Amino acid sequence: GEDVEQSLFLSVREGDSSVINCTYTDSSSTYLYWYKQEPGAGLQLLTYIFSNMDMKQDQRLTVLLNKKDKHLSLRIADTQTGDSAIYFCAESIEGKLIFGQGTELSVKP
Amino acid sequence: EAGVTQFPSHSVIEKGQTVTLRCDPISGHDNLYWYRRVMGKEIKFLLHFVKESKQDESGMPNNRFLAERTGGTYSTLKVQPAELEDSGVYFCASSHTGQGYYGYTFGSGTRLTVV
Repeated sequence: GEDVEQSLFLSVREGDSSVINCTYTDSSSTYLYWYKQEPGAGLQLLTYIFSNMDMKQDQRLTVLLNKKDKHLSLRIADTQTGDSAIYFCAESIEGKLIFGQGTELSVKP
Repeated sequence: EAGVTQFPSHSVIEKGQTVTLRCDPISGHDNLYWYRRVMGKEIKFLLHFVKESKQDESGMPNNRFLAERTGGTYSTLKVQPAELEDSGVYFCASSHTGQGYYGYTFGSGTRLTVV
């Protein structure tokens, strides 16, 4: 079945690292994604990882993929107030995206 | 290049009325998708157009929803008659065929409230 799960809320202090976790069920996914939605805005693709990779780093973002456990995480280093948003994990299956519920990240000064 | 444009950004209608949402994809993108997020839950796939043809409409909730993409350019999603449970944010996305990672570009969404 197709199911992607995330925790709903995360609160961190400015300058700390944030780690957002996600589990998925379909092992056939070729790509896994992290999208960001700021208030009033659309979904912005933050980063993606190919399923044969374990890790991908892009500036302050680090994506870790554990295929055995079907676990995906997004680490944001030196979290800033501008990082406050909803973060969606997604997997692609047959060309369509299956999203999690979204994790609302709140960054306190 | 212009992004994916959705209109209106907000719509408040009464139960039983009809609403039509519009999406203008990025010029030249053959693929157009509709998704929606209901009541803070996960974003769910509704359907996928390739040019003017419906490639996959497995996510359409029922026959009160009608999507069209005449001429393979913009798309409309009509809800008739609207029910309370149709409230949510409707997202449109487009992509170019051959983008190996399925790099969708999403619009800002239409927030639909049915009262």
